[in-house]
Amino acid sequence: DAKTTQPPSMDCAEGRAANLPCNHSTISGNEYVYWYRQIHSQGPQYIIHGLKNNETNEMASLIITEDRKSSTLILPHATLRDTAVYYCIVREEGSGTYKYIFGTGTRLKVLA
Amino acid sequence: SQTIHQWPATLVQPVGSPLSLECTVEGTSNPNLYWYRQAAGRGLQLLFYSVGIGQISSEVPQNLSASRPQDRQFILSSKKLLLSDSGFYLCAWSVSHTGELFFGEGSRLTVL
Repeated sequence: DAKTTQPPSMDCAEGRAANLPCNHSTISGNEYVYWYRQIHSQGPQYIIHGLKNNETNEMASLIITEDRKSSTLILPHATLRDTAVYYCIVREEGSGTYKYIFGTGTRLKVLA
Repeated sequence: SQTIHQWPATLVQPVGSPLSLECTVEGTSNPNLYWYRQAAGRGLQLLFYSVGIGQISSEVPQNLSASRPQDRQFILSSKKLLLSDSGFYLCAWSVSHTGELFFGEGSRLTVL
């Protein structure tokens, strides 16, 4: 089972910031949090990842709480093209490598 | 740059027929490789992953198998398809030190 829980859906007005929450209360000290998004009928696209510090790139910002039990993905100025399912993932140790267990994600709808 | 190819893109097969989906990665060596399945309207389910030639880890016991005959080739197979095998199959690769997961465009399988 996935180590993360997310709200099933959210709406956001175009041009406003979209804040997508994720709970990962069982995360261990060296596990990273990854965010991906999936636009209909395509493979998921990497957005950002982090361990304990806040991260920012050209797509989004990632805010991780001090206790690391939750995080928020921020899309600063949402556009209609940001409508997608967003997945928060905690990378887990597998056999010789890491495995990425996806939860059900948050379906973000950006409204004009 | 690295690319990942999957084929076929679309497949319609009768129940009881065999299956072979192929995935190849270019531009990198010794990648970690993954197979995911996404049923209609659902999240991504990790099926298999591999850290090297001939090394396969299975996440969910089912009607499918995977093989890695070459470093950058990952194959998903079935001897006899079931209706429940229908879905969107995604291959992905990652490099451990960055942890980013890169997905192919997917293969859509319909079993009738």
